[in-house]
Amino acid sequence: EVQLVESGGGLVQPGGSLRLSCAASGFTFSSYWMHWVRQAPGKGLEWVSRINSDGSDTSYADSVKGRFTFSRDNAKNTLYLQMNSLRAEDTAVYYCARQNWNYNNWFDPWGQGTLVTVSS
Amino acid sequence: EIVLTQSPATLSLSPGERATLSCRASQSVTNYLAWYQQKPGQAPRLLIYDASNRVTGIPARFSGSGSGTDFTLTISSLEPEDFAVYYCQQRYNWLTFGGGTKVEIK
Repeated sequence: EVQLVESGGGLVQPGGSLRLSCAASGFTFSSYWMHWVRQAPGKGLEWVSRINSDGSDTSYADSVKGRFTFSRDNAKNTLYLQMNSLRAEDTAVYYCARQNWNYNNWFDPWGQGTLVTVSS
Repeated sequence: EIVLTQSPATLSLSPGERATLSCRASQSVTNYLAWYQQKPGQAPRLLIYDASNRVTGIPARFSGSGSGTDFTLTISSLEPEDFAVYYCQQRYNWLTFGGGTKVEIK
């Protein structure tokens, strides 16, 4: 069974840092591009970042560019999202998602999410 | 940035009724549009990709149509488990999501 499990969320003060992880299983992780998408409480979905299969290329939403770093360890089947200089508006559930070529590179599946709260 | 506008924001219907959800793009996305379903406390789930292709395992009552700037998700006869929030997404130019349509029980 394909599974994505996020961890690392929590409460952090404005200006602080946090590192999220996403553990993948049930598929050949190193063959897939992966994404982070976030959802502020009671709001819609916002794409955050993308990484290619070997980790050599990333892209970011303007809202996080320069503050967040997306990386992966294919030996550990794990994604990482390093979040620095956090702001209140970064408060959200963060989901990792697989870009699935079986469905022309749309997002399938998604993890269950991890909540990040930025507050003093 | 391509803006996706979903309407209505909320759709109040009864089980067995037909649901018609709209997603309008600020510029053409050709057929690079997908639909996701999200239930409370759960992650989004891919339903329809490339505007009209149903994901394996998604019931036939879900269908997608449209191209260019206007897209529709239709649920032919609502089942109790279909009451949820639905999002459209485009990847023609970067990646953006619509604001969602909540389908609630009337």
